[in-house]
Amino acid sequence: NAGVTQTPKFRILKIGQSMTLQCTQDMNHNYMYWYRQDPGMGLKLIYYSVGAGITDKGEVPNGYNVSRSTTEDFPLRLELAAPSQTSVYFCASSSRSGVGELFFGEGSRLTVL
Amino acid sequence: GDSVTQMEGPVTLSEEAFLTINCTYTATGYPSLFWYVQYPGEGLQLLLKATKADDKGSNKGFEATYRKETTSFHLEKGSVQVSDSAVYFCALSDHGSSNTGKLIFGQGTTLQVKP
Repeated sequence: NAGVTQTPKFRILKIGQSMTLQCTQDMNHNYMYWYRQDPGMGLKLIYYSVGAGITDKGEVPNGYNVSRSTTEDFPLRLELAAPSQTSVYFCASSSRSGVGELFFGEGSRLTVL
Repeated sequence: GDSVTQMEGPVTLSEEAFLTINCTYTATGYPSLFWYVQYPGEGLQLLLKATKADDKGSNKGFEATYRKETTSFHLEKGSVQVSDSAVYFCALSDHGSSNTGKLIFGQGTTLQVKP
């Protein structure tokens, strides 16, 4: 079982560059999430989606965009990368009926220099 | 808004020692509570959960009891192993999240177990 797959695992960006973090899940989950993890700060929700075509902002959405054209895919777009976006990014998904059991990808470590 | 506070880490223990990681929360209404674990180089995975007051969640020798009167959900294990070394996150379901599944996470507590 692949579960939640994120790519790339590591990336270095220059200030002002743009990139997309890919996330796909094969569990037919309706709910998907993007979190960022900073040392000592826990996980902060960036964006989430409750189904294809529906997205909403989380706690820290500035500088990011998302789309959800299919149930499986939930890419996160960084426009005009800034050093403050240096972080580890996690994509997660959850089933329609379960509250709380989020399935996480392995993370994408992004450094902006 | 809702929030979760965990004890500061790192916590360093010898193998077979007793573990407690404190977690307290602030929430509107009656959230569900969770402990997630993150092993080195991996994503988070659910360790245990409790959905109402006085419920006890348990898994892999870990336990936590939902205490509404003290707004706490402390994680305990009677005898830790080196393989338990990881980062542990307490989390709660966001108020009104029954149709979104959003969670609010604490800052995480690193556990190091030495042989």
